[in-house]
Amino acid sequence: DAGVTQSPTHLIKTRGQQVTLRCSPKSGHDTVSWYQQALGQGPQFIFQYYEEEERQRGNFPDRFSGHQFPNYSSELNVNALLLGDSALYLCASRGLAGVNEQYFGPGTRLTVT
Amino acid sequence: AQSVTQLGSHVSVSEGALVLLRCNYSSSVPPYLFWYVQYPNQGLQLLLKYTSAATLVKGINGFEAEFKKSETSFHLTKPSAHMSDAAEYFCAVSETGGSYIPTFGRGTSLIVHP
Repeated sequence: DAGVTQSPTHLIKTRGQQVTLRCSPKSGHDTVSWYQQALGQGPQFIFQYYEEEERQRGNFPDRFSGHQFPNYSSELNVNALLLGDSALYLCASRGLAGVNEQYFGPGTRLTVT
Repeated sequence: AQSVTQLGSHVSVSEGALVLLRCNYSSSVPPYLFWYVQYPNQGLQLLLKYTSAATLVKGINGFEAEFKKSETSFHLTKPSAHMSDAAEYFCAVSETGGSYIPTFGRGTSLIVHP
């Protein structure tokens, strides 16, 4: 049973560019959340997708957007990249049976230069 | 609103010694509480969770935590540290009956000396 997978593992972008990160949830899970983890910090909630709609959003600007596909996979898009967007981006999934337990992927390390 | 405070950004122990990682939470409703571990260059793995059942929760790898409502604490312990326990540990809280979105602490780095 594959867990949560994310791609790519590492990414280097230039300030002002746009980036797309991808996530496939654990089998049987239908809800995907995205987190930003800056160096030396805990994960910060960006947003959550369920039934292809954004259901919850954290304190992140509109430059951060997402999408969920019919197969429950998800994308995180960040426009107009800033140096401060450099971080580990984590995807987490959960199913209806385990609403209070999330499974995390290995993350995508984004470096903005 | 909910929040988590992890006391000590770094904790250093000798192999075989007791591990104690501290977590205090704030929540306006009964909380769910979690401990996650993160090894270098990896995602977060759930160690254990409290969901209003037994106050002493046992998790994986010999870790356990005790929910103390009066102290608003959920400290993580392990009787005997192994070298393989060296990692970053995160405490998190979410609110029952709410969105179940956890709020994480800043993490505690556990260093284990031979």
